[in-house]
Amino acid sequence: AQSVAQPEDQVNVAEGNPLTVKCTYSVSGNPYLFWYVQYPNRGLQFLLKYITGDNLVKGSYGFEAEFNKSQTSFHLKKPSALVSDSALYFCAVSAAGNKLTFGGGTRVLVKP
Amino acid sequence: DAGITQSPRHKVTETGTPVTLRCHQTENHRYMYWYRQDPGHGLRLIHYSYGVKDTDKGEVSDGYSVSRSKTEDFLLTLESATSSQTSVYFCAISVTSGDSTDTQYFGPGTRLTVL
Repeated sequence: AQSVAQPEDQVNVAEGNPLTVKCTYSVSGNPYLFWYVQYPNRGLQFLLKYITGDNLVKGSYGFEAEFNKSQTSFHLKKPSALVSDSALYFCAVSAAGNKLTFGGGTRVLVKP
Repeated sequence: DAGITQSPRHKVTETGTPVTLRCHQTENHRYMYWYRQDPGHGLRLIHYSYGVKDTDKGEVSDGYSVSRSKTEDFLLTLESATSSQTSVYFCAISVTSGDSTDTQYFGPGTRLTVL
C-alpha cells in the first residue's frame, strides 16, 4: 500500500521569506510524486511532479520540490513567498500507475 | 480546469434519496476518476474508469456506483445518500505528457450536503 504524510496542518510565513511544505511518502517501487495547490472554492491545480532524473524539480508559480530517496521525502519550496501563495497544498504519490494517494494537506498562510 | 465540468456544482439533499453527479470532459481522455475531499483526509479515490464501460473501485467505494457509457461522461451515483457522504466531490482526468508520464487534472468540484 502507498501512503503520504504531510506532518504540518498549517505553515505560517512572512511575505518575502522562504516557504517549505513538507511531504514524506511510502510506496513499493519507484515513486511518482506530485504537488497540487487548492485555492478557496476551487479544484486542485497541478504544480509539479517528479518521475525520474534530477532530484530538484521546478514547477509553476516559482515553486520547486526536492526529491530525497533516502529520506523518502518530497518537500515543496519557494524562495520568496507571496501573499497570493496562501492556499491548501497537497502532496500525492503513485507507483507506476494512475492511482494517486494524497496526503491530508497543508494550509499555507503568508502574512504581509 | 483542464476542460472538465462538473454538475451540479452545489446540491442539498435528504438522507435516503438517490443522487447522481456528472463529470464531463471535452478531450477524450481514457482515464477518469472520482474523489471525495474531507478535512484532514485530503482526497480519497472513490472509483475510476479506464474506458467506456470499464470501471474499478477505489479506496472508499462503499455506497457509491459509477457508470461510463461515453468517453466524455463519468457519472457518480449515491444510491441512498447518507450524512457521511456530505463532502466535496472532485472529478479528474489523466493526461499523458510528451514524456509519456501521466498527470491528473481536476474539475471544479461539487459540494454535496446530505441532511
